[in-house]
Amino acid sequence: KQEVTQIPAALSVPEGENLVLNCSFTDSAIYNLQWFRQDPGKGLTSLLLIQSSQREQTSGRLNASLDKSSGRSTLYIAASQPGDSATYLCAVRLYGATNKLIFGTGTLLAVQP
Amino acid sequence: DTGVSQNPRHKITKRGQNVTFRCDPISEHNRLYWYRQTLGQGPEFLTYFQNEAQLEKSRLLSDRFSAERPKGSFSTLEIQRTEQGDSAMYLCASSLSGGRAAGETQYFGPGTRLLVL
Repeated sequence: KQEVTQIPAALSVPEGENLVLNCSFTDSAIYNLQWFRQDPGKGLTSLLLIQSSQREQTSGRLNASLDKSSGRSTLYIAASQPGDSATYLCAVRLYGATNKLIFGTGTLLAVQP
Repeated sequence: DTGVSQNPRHKITKRGQNVTFRCDPISEHNRLYWYRQTLGQGPEFLTYFQNEAQLEKSRLLSDRFSAERPKGSFSTLEIQRTEQGDSAMYLCASSLSGGRAAGETQYFGPGTRLLVL
């Protein structure tokens, strides 16, 4: 059974700092991995999607990497801003007929001004 | 707004009542998903449609839950005889199958928050 874990559960950093969020998964047979952002009481906003054949994806100040062999992904946020404060979730999609995403429990990020 | 929309945004009901939620996906998306999220947890998959066909259901989807997508466009999720344990955020997502990698991205709606008293 695929399990997705995110560490740390919560993180507080001063504005301007670069930071890394971690995501690990137990089954390396993933089709892709997505990183999402969730603001309090709101839905999810897709940030980056990495296909299993890719090593990383970049969007603006965000960079996500994928290492299937070790079952890990990282989300790097450069020059953090207070507006980056949110919960960050990673989710994996497995190979096979299923299209469902399996989510981690998220990392709650607070960027202090 | 061409994103995924969900209605209502909030629902408070008494235990034992039936509730129905609606999801309108992004118009050209043929795949639609329902997830449930409780406080402090990541979303958990409930069910998935490709066009009007319901192709997968989670064990979480007890017989009190039913989902439909009658014309392959909007979807409804009904919970019968609600229980306090059904209190959660119900999220809908849609995606477009095939095509470029970006088409595999699932786009989420704002969710319907259910409170069962």
